[in-house]
Amino acid sequence: EVQLVQSGAEVKKPGESLKISCEGSGYSFSYYWIAWVRQMPGKGLEYMGIIYPADSDTKYSPSFQGQVTISADKSTNTAYLHWSTLTASDTAIYFCARRGGDAGIFDSWGQGTLVTVSS
Amino acid sequence: SSELTQDPSVSVALGQTVRITCQGDSLRSYYASWYQQKPGQAPLLVLYAKNKRPSGIPDRFSGSTSGNTASLTITGAQAEDEGDYYCNSRDSSGHPVVFGGGTKLTVL
Repeated sequence: EVQLVQSGAEVKKPGESLKISCEGSGYSFSYYWIAWVRQMPGKGLEYMGIIYPADSDTKYSPSFQGQVTISADKSTNTAYLHWSTLTASDTAIYFCARRGGDAGIFDSWGQGTLVTVSS
Repeated sequence: SSELTQDPSVSVALGQTVRITCQGDSLRSYYASWYQQKPGQAPLLVLYAKNKRPSGIPDRFSGSTSGNTASLTITGAQAEDEGDYYCNSRDSSGHPVVFGGGTKLTVL
């Protein structure tokens, strides 16, 4: 069974850094793209970017380029989303999702990580 | 344009048929995929490609495309179908990069 398990909820202050994680299991982690998707409170889904763990090829949505860093460690089957300087507008639920082969779909999702940024 | 437009909300009587639509230029080239999200849960893929359903998705969910508009149809809507529905389209690299704004489905 394919599973993506994300790290737990975080409460941070503006200006702090943060890295959240997404561990895959039940499939060949290195050979499937993993994306990050943001959902701000009461809002819709926003694609942030995607990484191919085998070679760390990474693509960012223009809206998120330079705002976050996506990385992956294929030795631990884990993808990461990192902020160097958080702001209140980063408060959201962040989902990781596996791109399913060539179909251009997200066929498996993590449970989501709630990030709250507040002074 | 890479945007996808959905109606914010739609309602349907229990057991009736409802269509949720998604408009965007990319849909002239690529099929939409559809995701259902219930409160407090992660999205769930319910439809993709021409009219494919992942394992476990009931066959009351079906899809179609005409021009720049993709539709998700639920035939005989059930109470458990309530939730938010998002369409998505891929880019030329195959990455599912664009989500519609979402449609909130209420089953009356």
